[in-house]
Amino acid sequence: SQKIEQNSEALNIQEGKTATLTCNYTNYSPAYLQWYRQDPGRGPVFLLLIRENEKEKRKERLKVTFDTTLKQSLFHITASQPADSATYLCALTTSGTYKYIFGTGTRLKVLA
Amino acid sequence: GAGVSQSPRYKVAKRGQDVALRCDPISGHVSLFWYQQALGQGPEFLTYFQNEAQLDKSGLPSDRFFAERPEGSVSTLKIQRTQQEDSAVYLCASSPKRIRGESYGYTFGSGTRLTVV
Repeated sequence: SQKIEQNSEALNIQEGKTATLTCNYTNYSPAYLQWYRQDPGRGPVFLLLIRENEKEKRKERLKVTFDTTLKQSLFHITASQPADSATYLCALTTSGTYKYIFGTGTRLKVLA
Repeated sequence: GAGVSQSPRYKVAKRGQDVALRCDPISGHVSLFWYQQALGQGPEFLTYFQNEAQLDKSGLPSDRFFAERPEGSVSTLKIQRTQQEDSAVYLCASSPKRIRGESYGYTFGSGTRLTVV
């Protein structure tokens, strides 16, 4: 069956370090993969989109990689700050469909 | 509007009651999605509209769930005869017109937290 897996355990890191979050998928051939940030009591906020033919995408302190052979995306936050503490969701869609399927999210806590 | 607006923000319903949840998408956004999010889980797809046409309702959990977008802007998600398992946050998202071969990030509202007692 199709599955999107994110580390369900919270990730705690020290301020200034690089946070790396993982998104693995099975039985999908995604055309696009997105990352979102979600704060408690709020809707997800779009961060980055990467296409299947792109290996890497950057935006300020954020970097996303997409390895269709490993069926994995990595999401990096460099020089992390306590304000980066939130839940991060990956979502993917396959070609020809409009809906994105979301993972369960990973909670990140950046310690001052 | 500046963002996606959902109302009410919180709704408590007695089991068996009907509820209606409203979504005002960003003006001009063609695509509108409804998702359901249980505590500690990711959003789960319910249904998708392109303008007023409901193109995908495969995620609606039962025939008690009904969504509409009659004029291609505001959408309403209706749940009839609510059950306790319907308790969740209901998120609405919109995105611009999809150009062939492209995909866009969604803009989500803050959601409606439904509690069925």
